[in-house]
Amino acid sequence: EAEVAQSPRYKITEKSQAVAFWCDPISGHATLYWYRQILGQGPELLVQFQDESVVDDSQLPKDRFSAERLKGVDSTLKIQPAELGDSAMYLCASSTGGNGQETQYFGPGTRLLVL
Amino acid sequence: AQSVTQPDIHITVSEGASLELRCNYSYGATPYLFWYVQSPGQGLQLLLKYFSGDTLVQGIKGFEAEFKRSQSSFNLRKPSVHWSDAAEYFCVLKTSYDKVIFGPGTSLSVIP
Repeated sequence: EAEVAQSPRYKITEKSQAVAFWCDPISGHATLYWYRQILGQGPELLVQFQDESVVDDSQLPKDRFSAERLKGVDSTLKIQPAELGDSAMYLCASSTGGNGQETQYFGPGTRLLVL
Repeated sequence: AQSVTQPDIHITVSEGASLELRCNYSYGATPYLFWYVQSPGQGLQLLLKYFSGDTLVQGIKGFEAEFKRSQSSFNLRKPSVHWSDAAEYFCVLKTSYDKVIFGPGTSLSVIP
């Protein structure tokens, strides 16, 4: 069964350092999502791509976060510089895209700890 | 504005007992609704979804949910809970223009 891949699974960094997370969606899925999930809360959408274009990044802290999906396939989420409050689980999901009825499939996530 | 509420932060049930997790949403048009489960150390797994049609939706692992438009609710139910059902449950609203909103989650504990 096809899955969404994410790496690394765990990342420990010091504040002010740069970190990057990678996501490879299910093959053929046009829509890709990045979420941040703080411990004890539900996931919060950071950015949504349709192919290589950003369709929603209203909740992305653009002063330090960036995301790209250059060829419309895999994607990278970067934080520079990392802050203590960025400690969270970063989830990637993908769907076929379209009229909103498509199911999102989630990857295992990257757990980030900023010291 | 669209929103999802899950009134119960934490629920504890005995193994074999029935379960109902509450979900209410706020959205002006026809919602697309989902329930996901997140087990410790695991990714989010889809339990079931509602788009239209029959308001009682069957999902995996013996779960079902009922969409009630008049109450803006989409409660999740299971007739007999197993210890392996202990997890975090999220109700999710997706709008017709693809905006996704997660509820805060309900943590389920199962006691033997």
